[in-house]
Amino acid sequence: AQSVTQPDIHITVSEGASLELRCNYSYGATPYLFWYVQSPGQGLQLLLKYFSGDTLVQGIKGFEAEFKRSQSSFNLRKPSVHWSDAAEYFCAVGAMGGGNKLTFGTGTQLKVEL
Amino acid sequence: GAVVSQHPSRVICKSGTSVKIECRSLDFQATTMFWYRQFPKQSLMLMATSNEGSKATYEQGVEKDKFLINHASLTLSTLTVTSAHPEDSSFYICSAREGSTNTEAFFGQGTRLTVV
Repeated sequence: AQSVTQPDIHITVSEGASLELRCNYSYGATPYLFWYVQSPGQGLQLLLKYFSGDTLVQGIKGFEAEFKRSQSSFNLRKPSVHWSDAAEYFCAVGAMGGGNKLTFGTGTQLKVEL
Repeated sequence: GAVVSQHPSRVICKSGTSVKIECRSLDFQATTMFWYRQFPKQSLMLMATSNEGSKATYEQGVEKDKFLINHASLTLSTLTVTSAHPEDSSFYICSAREGSTNTEAFFGQGTRLTVV
């Protein structure tokens, strides 16, 4: 069975600082990996996804993530955080092209200090 | 990206009543829709997968008679919480995809259900 672990429940960073959110997955075949962001009371917005090819994936809002098969990781990064990035971030793994059901991690709550 | 709309965004109902949540794909035909439930400060848990014109497939532990899912058209799926109880209070989110499993699924904005 597929699973996703986000080790950090809460992270606080200063505005302008760099950010890395960790994600580790367990999946028997080639994973399809996603990062979503959720603002309070809102649905999910896709930040980026990895299906195949280049292991460094660029997403929206200046985010990027790197797929490392050897470490079963798909960490999300941003070089300079903005106050508007404060939200809940979810890593997810899916089968096939991601149009199948997704398994989500427990999420990381990001707080940005001004 | 494609747009998926959920309605209502918030609903309060009395215990024992039923409430219906709609999920619509606005600019594409959704052959498959997924319903998730999110408890406060927790992750999303898949409840069921519905394909247009067929019965929904429920995840283990989800009561299909309590959470009725209908996917009668390519643009609309509904989730009906029957005989609601306070423990059904939660955030429900749908997602929809067009075509094969190799296409991305898009999420609605969610529905906050409160049962009093």
